[in-house]
Amino acid sequence: DQQVKQNSPSLSVQEGRISILNCDYTNSMFDYFLWYKKYPAEGPTFLISISSIKDKNEDGRFTVFLNKSAKHLSLHIVPSQPGDSAVYFCAASGSGATNKLIFGTGTLLAVQP
Amino acid sequence: GEEVAQTPKHLVRGEGQKAKLYCAPIKGHSYVFWYQQVLKNEFKFLISFQNENVFDETGMPKERFSAKCLPNSPCSLEIQATKLEDSAVYFCASSPTRTAGGETQYFGPGTRLLVL
Repeated sequence: DQQVKQNSPSLSVQEGRISILNCDYTNSMFDYFLWYKKYPAEGPTFLISISSIKDKNEDGRFTVFLNKSAKHLSLHIVPSQPGDSAVYFCAASGSGATNKLIFGTGTLLAVQP
Repeated sequence: GEEVAQTPKHLVRGEGQKAKLYCAPIKGHSYVFWYQQVLKNEFKFLISFQNENVFDETGMPKERFSAKCLPNSPCSLEIQATKLEDSAVYFCASSPTRTAGGETQYFGPGTRLLVL
């Protein structure tokens, strides 16, 4: 049962344009969502997060949008840079008895110069 | 330290041998997590600790896996009698506290375990 889904395995974008990565979830108990960036042979690096009480959080070139009614979040990267090329994971956690992260399966972003 | 440290970077074991992985969380962080990445993009939660106490162990295969976080020592994840399917990258993460809004987990570089 995949509670966090990233339906696009890959995305290719031109340098300078917007990258939009999408994530859907099924568990309405999730109250905290995160995006991580991962290069090969490295650990996931935290990018940005959003609490379920908000619908938008912005940090420099990165903005995360949360639509609770649709159980959907997205990460916008503007402008995209070649160094942004990596696998992006969305993750979710709930406020219950556990604090574990549930990860999506990732989207490989390729930013073309 | 300022980063989560994991050792060793790579570990090769013959099937049936023991494997022990270590993690030093970020100084001041109360929570430690272990995740297993088997297939390229699939993370599986194993166990979490609050200081030296097990917080959530629902992901641990209890028969062969064990973990500890003792005071003034790195945390450890041990696999007795490794099997081929234990081949994976094992990530450790730490987070400072747990609040209603959630807390960010910071990941180490991982230990790549290969069981032959």
